[in-house]
Amino acid sequence: EDKVVQSPLSLVVHEGDTVTLNCSYEVTNFRSLLWYKQEKKAPTFLFMLTSSGIEKKSGRLSSILDKKELFSILNITATQTGDSAIYLCAVEGHAGNNRKLIWGLGTSLAVNP
Amino acid sequence: GAGVSQSPSNKVTEKGKDVELRCDPISGHTALYWYRQSLGQGLEFLIYFQGNSAPDKSGLPSDRFSAERTGGSVSTLTIQRTQQEDSAVYLCASSLVGQGGVDTQYFGPGTRLTVL
Repeated sequence: EDKVVQSPLSLVVHEGDTVTLNCSYEVTNFRSLLWYKQEKKAPTFLFMLTSSGIEKKSGRLSSILDKKELFSILNITATQTGDSAIYLCAVEGHAGNNRKLIWGLGTSLAVNP
Repeated sequence: GAGVSQSPSNKVTEKGKDVELRCDPISGHTALYWYRQSLGQGLEFLIYFQGNSAPDKSGLPSDRFSAERTGGSVSTLTIQRTQQEDSAVYLCASSLVGQGGVDTQYFGPGTRLTVL
């Protein structure tokens, strides 16, 4: 059965700390892994990863994929209170002509001032 | 519009009533997805449209759930005879290519459904 597991489920840090969020997966016919940030109802896109070992960066956020060990990490450096959100990992797979995203439960990050 | 829009933003209904949720995808996006997120759960895939056809309906939880898409654009998700366990946030997403492509899904703000 396809699954995506995120850890930790929740995390509380102080402003300025660096955090690492983990996403491991077992998905049939992997195509891509996506990270989203959910603050209210709808997630907003952060990164899409398709190749191993290539780091993607956006400001203080970065992410990398390991397709051999089947996981990805999302790093946030110099955290700010505005980084407080649920971070979702999703993996796209396909079987035949069907494609779908398998979602993790998310990591709830709280950044305290 | 610039993004995916959904309506209504909130819906409170009584058990047993039917509800319709609407999604307007980004113009030009051929693929459209419906998900729901229940409290404490991850996003649950419901259905995927490529154009007006739905090649993947595998996530619909029961025959009370149906969806259609017309003109390759607007989609409606209908839940008949609602039950309390249907209470959730229903999210719609669209993407440019969909099937066979690797592309990013853009999400709407969601509809929060509460069944009393």
